[in-house]
Amino acid sequence: NAGVTQTPKFQVLKTGQSMTLQCAQDMNHNSMYWYRQDPGMGLRLIYYSASEGTTDKGEVPNGYNVSRLNKREFSLRLESAAPSQTSVYFCASQPGQGTEQYFGPGTRLTVT
Amino acid sequence: GENVEQHPSTLSVQEGDSAVIKCTYSDSASNYFPWYKQELGKRPQLIIDIRSNVGEKKDQRIAVTLNKTAKHFSLHITETQPEDSAVYFCAADTNFGNEKLTFGTGTRLTIIP
Repeated sequence: NAGVTQTPKFQVLKTGQSMTLQCAQDMNHNSMYWYRQDPGMGLRLIYYSASEGTTDKGEVPNGYNVSRLNKREFSLRLESAAPSQTSVYFCASQPGQGTEQYFGPGTRLTVT
Repeated sequence: GENVEQHPSTLSVQEGDSAVIKCTYSDSASNYFPWYKQELGKRPQLIIDIRSNVGEKKDQRIAVTLNKTAKHFSLHITETQPEDSAVYFCAADTNFGNEKLTFGTGTRLTIIP
């Protein structure tokens, strides 16, 4: 089992460029999440998907879109990157309510 | 929605001493309270969790206590070791069939040899 995988590991974008962060899990989990982590801010939820075919906004959704492509994959898209989106992005998956969330290795994104 | 506050933001303890990190939450309906450890440059990983029907849970040198009346829970690490140095996050779920977690802002724990 690879667990939760994310690509790319690092990315540098110019303001206004777009990109998609990929996430996949091989644990047959129903729920998947995208977080961003900024110094001193903890983990803030961007979007989540409680099951295949559903997505919902989290705490900081502005400037992002998501796609739950199938049960395994949950992608995060930045349509027009801004310097404020410089952060470390973590994907996570969870089998069900009240259970552990498993995190991917993260993507470090810098927007100049 | 749920609000989780975590204190202190930084904590330094001598190796062998105990460390305590405290969190408060706002949603009285929350039922699940995990703690995650994040080493530098790594992903967060679960170290212990507690559910609302339990007041205390231990796993070797780590324990978590929960006071539902006061809406606070704490992480206790005894006999601290250098490998305990990391950032620790508490979290609370949002209940009502919604599996989201709200995280605290983290505590950077440094163990002084």
